[in-house]
Amino acid sequence: GAVVSQHPSWVICKSGTSVKIECRSLDFQATTMFWYRQFPKQSLMLMATSNEGSKATYEQGVEKDKFLINHASLTLSTLTVTSAHPEDSSFYICSARDVQAQYFGPGTRLLVL
Amino acid sequence: EDQVTQSPEALRLQEGESSSLNCSYTVSGLRGLFWYRQDPGKGPEFLFTLYSAGEEKEKERLKATLTKKESFLHITAPKPEDSATYLCAVEAGGYQKVTFGIGTKLQVIP
Repeated sequence: GAVVSQHPSWVICKSGTSVKIECRSLDFQATTMFWYRQFPKQSLMLMATSNEGSKATYEQGVEKDKFLINHASLTLSTLTVTSAHPEDSSFYICSARDVQAQYFGPGTRLLVL
Repeated sequence: EDQVTQSPEALRLQEGESSSLNCSYTVSGLRGLFWYRQDPGKGPEFLFTLYSAGEEKEKERLKATLTKKESFLHITAPKPEDSATYLCAVEAGGYQKVTFGIGTKLQVIP
């Protein structure tokens, strides 16, 4: 149980384009999902908390207009990186919370050229 | 501010050589302490949740323990497939925000 999927697993795009990443909880409903970013040899950095049916809560320093989060249902949250630039290249990981813990997706590797 | 410190940053063990990873934390109102395993290029895999001092949980060669200030992840007779980065995280207060440590990179040599 407690499986979280993420799509796509990797994406390469040109600078200035937008990229959408989907996060789904497959076998449980999650009112709260989280989006993280991870740089090489560093731990997870929380970007935002996504609540079903309401606006996301962003961490300090994370641009709301750049990283658009939508949590339209209890099993789906999306992260859209708008007007991506090379400095947005990173490993993005989502997680969904059940009563026991946060369960993580497999991650999305984004490379902006 | 919640803080999580893991040590050592890296650990190299011979196959079968048991050891422990440490996670010390400073939080106000601990709700839960979590251990995850992360393989390169993948998302963290959930291992354990510990809620109160004195609690212990086991899974195969792994055993997690919790005190009021730290948690240990004991690895008994590790195998090469146990090689990974082990992350510790804490959840505190009334919010679901979790703070992660930087992790311990474990390498088990055959």
